[in-house]
Parts: sequence; C-alpha cells; structure tokens
Amino acid sequence: NAGVTQTPKFRVLKTGQSMTLLCAQDMNHEYMYWYRQDPGMGLRLIHYSVGEGTTAKGEVPDGYNVSRLKKQNFLLGLESAAPSQTSVYFCASREIRLESDEQFFGPGTRLTVL
Amino acid sequence: AQSVTQPDIHITVSEGASLELRCNYSYGATPYLFWYVQSPGQGLQLLLKYFSGDTLVQGIKGFEAEFKRSQSSFNLRKPSVHWSDAAEYFCAVGAPDSNYQLIWGAGTKLIIKP
Repeated sequence: NAGVTQTPKFRVLKTGQSMTLLCAQDMNHEYMYWYRQDPGMGLRLIHYSVGEGTTAKGEVPDGYNVSRLKKQNFLLGLESAAPSQTSVYFCASREIRLESDEQFFGPGTRLTVL
Repeated sequence: AQSVTQPDIHITVSEGASLELRCNYSYGATPYLFWYVQSPGQGLQLLLKYFSGDTLVQGIKGFEAEFKRSQSSFNLRKPSVHWSDAAEYFCAVGAPDSNYQLIWGAGTKLIIKP
C-alpha cells in the first residue's frame, strides 16, 4: 500500500514550457485534490475531483488543467509555465467514512520555472 | 468568506517545555477543524480533527486540541515537546456546505531549542 505518490519529485522548466504532474493513489478514494504551497501562504487549492471523470476548479485554477480519467490517477497540467507557478505542488486523496474524514498527502513536487 | 488565521509564523520552544499553537477561524456555523503537521521535505500528516462532540480532542504524537466556539479557536497543545516535533503545523477548516474543501492557515513553524 503506497498511499499517495507523486511524480516527478523535482522539475525545472523554462517559461512557456509545458509539463504534467502525476498523482496516484491506491486507497480507492473518490476525492482527490491538487494544492500549491508557497511560503507564508499555506496550501491553496488548484483543482479537485469528486470522482472518476469529474473535475472542478479550486481557489487558484488559472494556468492549470487537470484530468481524472482513472479513479486512481489525478493529473495536473501546466500548458505554458510562468515564473509565478514556481511552487511546491501537493496532491491529496480524501477518505470519507462514518466519523472519519481525512486527506492523505503525497510527498510533493518542487517546480521551478525560470 | 471562510478564513483561518495562525497568528504565529514561528515559535521557539525549549525541549521538554509545553507548547500551544493558535488557530482562529471565521465561519458562520461550526466547521470541521483539523491540524496537520509537515516535517521538512515531506507531505502533510493529520494530527487530529474535530467534527462534533467532546471539544477536547486527542491526536497522534501526544498532541491535543480544544475547540472553543465562543472564541472561534482550535488551539493545538502538547505538554512536553521533543526535538522530533520540530516541523510546520497547519490548521485547516472544512465546511460541510463547500463540498468539504479545506481552507488552510498559513502555518506555524515550530523550532525546538535543545
């Protein structure tokens, strides 16, 4: 049981390049989230998904796209990277059970856009 | 709009001393409340959560938190800190009417003095 995994762990892009971050979970969770973490700002929600084939915008969706073609995978895409997208990106999946609600986080992807 | 405030950007505590990290929230009703911990270079791990019932909740690693409705607070406490508690701590609020999205505080970095 690997939990939530993210690839890659580190990436450096030039302005205008594109890339896709992959998040995978093996816990059969319906909900998945993409956050970005910037110093002094906590976590901000980019996009989320409440199930396979569904996605929705979060607090800071501009410049990002997502897809949830399979329940276990949630992809975050940057079509044309900008320096403002330099950040640490975290994926999370969410377990909802009676008397329980917890988000499980991946280890993060550190992205630098030059 | 919902918001979460962690007034202390960083706190320094001597090993063995007690700890209290503050969290205040703004929300019209009783939200779900969470504390997460992030060790350096790691993802976030749930310490404890409050949904309903007893306002004093126990978590992992010897932490506890108390929900005070009158003060809109959910402060995290530990009676005696260990060097391994050095990390960043995040308070988060979830509202049942927002598709369970979490609003995050900016975090408090805990530094342990030997």
